[in-house]
Amino acid sequence: NAGVTQTPKFQVLKTGQSMTLQCAQDMNHNSMYWYRQDPGMGLRLIYYSASEGTTDKGEVPNGYNVSRLNKREFSLRLESAAPSQTSVYFCASSVERNTDTQYFGPGTRLTVL
Amino acid sequence: KQEVTQIPAALSVPEGENLVLNCSFTDSAIYNLQWFRQDPGKGLTSLLLIQSSQREQTSGRLNASLDKSSGRSTLYIAASQPGDSATYLCAAPSGGYNKLIFGAGTRLAVHP
Repeated sequence: NAGVTQTPKFQVLKTGQSMTLQCAQDMNHNSMYWYRQDPGMGLRLIYYSASEGTTDKGEVPNGYNVSRLNKREFSLRLESAAPSQTSVYFCASSVERNTDTQYFGPGTRLTVL
Repeated sequence: KQEVTQIPAALSVPEGENLVLNCSFTDSAIYNLQWFRQDPGKGLTSLLLIQSSQREQTSGRLNASLDKSSGRSTLYIAASQPGDSATYLCAAPSGGYNKLIFGAGTRLAVHP
């Protein structure tokens, strides 16, 4: 049981490049989330998926798109990376919604030059 | 709009001390509050989840309390150990079932 896995662990992009961050969970959870963590600002929700087939915006969705590919996988895409998107990105999942504990992946450290 | 604040931002204590981490939130219409631990370069690990109907939740040397009326939660760590050194974050729901608002965290260092 691997829990929540994320790939890649590290990535360096040039401004304007695109990339997709992958997330998968093997706990049969319905809800999945993408957060970014910046120094001094805590974690902020980018997008979430309450269940397979649905996605909704969080606090800071601009510049990102998501896909809930199936119940296990939830990907985050940066279409045209900007230096302001340099951050650590965390994926999380929970059984249902915020009444339940969220389980986090190890994170992806992204640098945009 | 929910805002979550954690005090202090950093704390350094000798091993064996009992300590209290504070979390305050602005919207008291919450149904739970969560405490997490984050080790450097790692993801978050859930420590305790307190439902709104509860006043306390305990796990080992950790005890979390919730006072909705005052908008506060505290995490009490008994007999601190160097292995407790980490950043502790609290998170409260905002505006719906799927949005958590996190505090900036308290960075704890326990020295031998």
